[in-house]
Amino acid sequence: DTEVTQTPKHLVMGMTNKKSLKCEQHMGHRAMYWYKQKAKKPPELMFVYSYEKLSINESVPSRFSPECPNSSLLNLHLHALQPEDSALYLCASSQWRKETQYFGPGTRLLVL
Amino acid sequence: GENVEQHPSTLSVQEGDSAVIKCTYSDSASNYFPWYKQELGKRPQLIIDIRSNVGEKKDQRIAVTLNKTAKHFSLHITETQPEDSAVYFCAASTGFQKLVFGTGTRLLVSP
Repeated sequence: DTEVTQTPKHLVMGMTNKKSLKCEQHMGHRAMYWYKQKAKKPPELMFVYSYEKLSINESVPSRFSPECPNSSLLNLHLHALQPEDSALYLCASSQWRKETQYFGPGTRLLVL
Repeated sequence: GENVEQHPSTLSVQEGDSAVIKCTYSDSASNYFPWYKQELGKRPQLIIDIRSNVGEKKDQRIAVTLNKTAKHFSLHITETQPEDSAVYFCAASTGFQKLVFGTGTRLLVSP
């Protein structure tokens, strides 16, 4: 399997909801990433996990909570989001100590 | 921290023409420079990358050049085709895990 997969593809949630995004890869990559991409903008790094430990948090608000249950799976838990959090959320992975990142198809999130 | 500038923001060419997209970076410690292509509604896909110990790299119709002294790198696409139409992002990295992206170039190839 040479792909990063993400579920769901689309998500609509209210500001009081709790939801989770899921990312999975079976390439044996030990680094996994969450990015946020607004329309017509580049991806912005949110979190990096290395060997299932959080190694980078780009000062992301606490309403976004990442989790890495095992080496293949990455979750992003969402709670009390704001409309401005509406965006495409991309997951990526890379081999340990390798810079090349491979992206998943993303989850398009709309917060009402 | 690293800052990556990308030009032009939009580029329109005729099918068969060449296209050039340029990026400059600020951190001289950056040593890895990938280019991603993102079609509408799709994931960013790596199309070519270059490391700081190499000045040029080619892959069929795509090439990337790097000038470390001037801190800029460029993407060259020859014999453009309509399916090359997409947004292209350059990026720079000083380490294994942190990519800083340019602002993107929307390339339109007209038949």
